[in-house]
Amino acid sequence: DTGVSQDPRHKITKRGQNVTFRCDPISEHNRLYWYRQTLGQGPEFLTYFQNEAQLEKSRLLSDRFSAERPKGSFSTLEIQRTEQGDSAMYLCASSLTGLNEQFFGPGTRLTVL
Amino acid sequence: AQTVTQSQPEMSVQEAETVTLSCTYDTSESDYYLFWYKQPPSRQMILVIRQEAYKQQNATENRFSVNFQKAAKSFSLKISDSQLGDAAMYFCAYRSANTGNQFYFGTGTSLTVIP
Repeated sequence: DTGVSQDPRHKITKRGQNVTFRCDPISEHNRLYWYRQTLGQGPEFLTYFQNEAQLEKSRLLSDRFSAERPKGSFSTLEIQRTEQGDSAMYLCASSLTGLNEQFFGPGTRLTVL
Repeated sequence: AQTVTQSQPEMSVQEAETVTLSCTYDTSESDYYLFWYKQPPSRQMILVIRQEAYKQQNATENRFSVNFQKAAKSFSLKISDSQLGDAAMYFCAYRSANTGNQFYFGTGTSLTVIP
């Protein structure tokens, strides 16, 4: 399977703990996106990378959130000092310059107790 | 920011029948792209169909077609000959052709297909 993969698929953590999620995009895709999806809502944009550069960040991305894409391939999204309101599905998508379509991964479901 | 509105939280259709899902959007731009994505239960989102705003012709992909009304800012999805596998959440999405790279999604429509 050469699609977008995300790890872990599920994460349960206690409030105040730090969590890190990983996204592996389709290998030749230079663009990578992170979204958050809560129950009953559509995905909300968090941040976007072109290669290793983080070019856009949403106001939703508080200072507890940080994302990296150090070598322009996989990306990590870290949430520090998790809060119950962080409970959501975190989706990763990738794309290639010139393509209008984004390809989504299966998501990481985070539950903060 | 652009907003995308899906006013039908839930829809149902009899197998083999036709159903139309509604989507409206708000933008001041003239050049953009519109998408319908499908998210089956516990599975990842996949693209169903896309439309470039500069194209007057409505996009069609097999049993899926759109009715794009640019002046009305309306982008509905028609599913013909509905199949059980069409049951899913359907999200309408907008992307500017010129400013930024993010997609703006609606809140989704849950489609049930009745055998």
